[in-house]
Amino acid sequence: GDSVTQTEGLVTVTEGLPVKLNCTYQTTYLTIAFFWYVQYLNEAPQVLLRSSTDNKRTEHQGFHATLHKSSSSFHLQKSSAQLSDSALYYCALSPGTGGYKVVFGSGTRLLVSP
Amino acid sequence: EAGVTQSPRYAVLQEGQAVSFWCDPISGHDTLYWYQQPRDQGPQLLVYFRDEAVIDNSQLPSDRFSAVRPKGTNSTLKIQSAKQGDTATYLCASSPGTYSNERLFFGHGTKLSVL
Repeated sequence: GDSVTQTEGLVTVTEGLPVKLNCTYQTTYLTIAFFWYVQYLNEAPQVLLRSSTDNKRTEHQGFHATLHKSSSSFHLQKSSAQLSDSALYYCALSPGTGGYKVVFGSGTRLLVSP
Repeated sequence: EAGVTQSPRYAVLQEGQAVSFWCDPISGHDTLYWYQQPRDQGPQLLVYFRDEAVIDNSQLPSDRFSAVRPKGTNSTLKIQSAKQGDTATYLCASSPGTYSNERLFFGHGTKLSVL
C-alpha cells in the first residue's frame, strides 16, 4: 500500500539557521499529489504546501519543497527558521485515482530556539 | 467561511463505556474523513465518505467502531466499548471533492482519554 516516511521525530534548530525536514514515500500510483501540513499547538492541522509536478519547486510562507519522483522524496526546507515555525509537520500523499484517500507520515516536531 | 466543527473537544471514559463524536464539515464539501491521531503519531485514516456513501472503512475496527453520514452532511463516529488503546485525538476533515488530490480542511479534533 501507500506509505509516507518521516525519519526524524524531532528536529531542533537555532533561529535564523536553515532547516530541512525529510519525507520519502512509496506508492504504486503514477498520478499523486503531495502535501505538507503544519499543526501548531492546540490547533488543527492545516496545509502548508501542495505539489503534484515532478521537479517543480513549491513555496509558501518562506518554506519550499520540490517533488522528486526519481528519489521518491518531498523534503521541506526553509532558509532561515523563525521561532514561530515551531510546530508539528506532516508529509502526506494523495493518489490521483482510486478515491480521495490521504496518507500521512508520522510527523516531525520542529523546535526553533533563540 | 466556517471551518470544520467537531464536538466534544474532550472526552474521558472508563474502559467499556461508549462515546460518540460529531462532525460538521464545511458547507458544500462532499468528502468527509475521520482520522485517529495517537499521541506523537501522524493521523491514521479510519473511514471516509463521499456524500453519504462509505468509500473506505478498511481501517475502522468494525467490532467496536461505527461511522455514519446519513444525509451527506454531518457525521458521527461512535465507539461502542472503549479500550485504553483508543486513547487518541479523533480528527474530522472535509474536502470539496471537486477532483482528487484536494487539500483537507481539519477540525480541532476530539481528545479522548480512556482510563
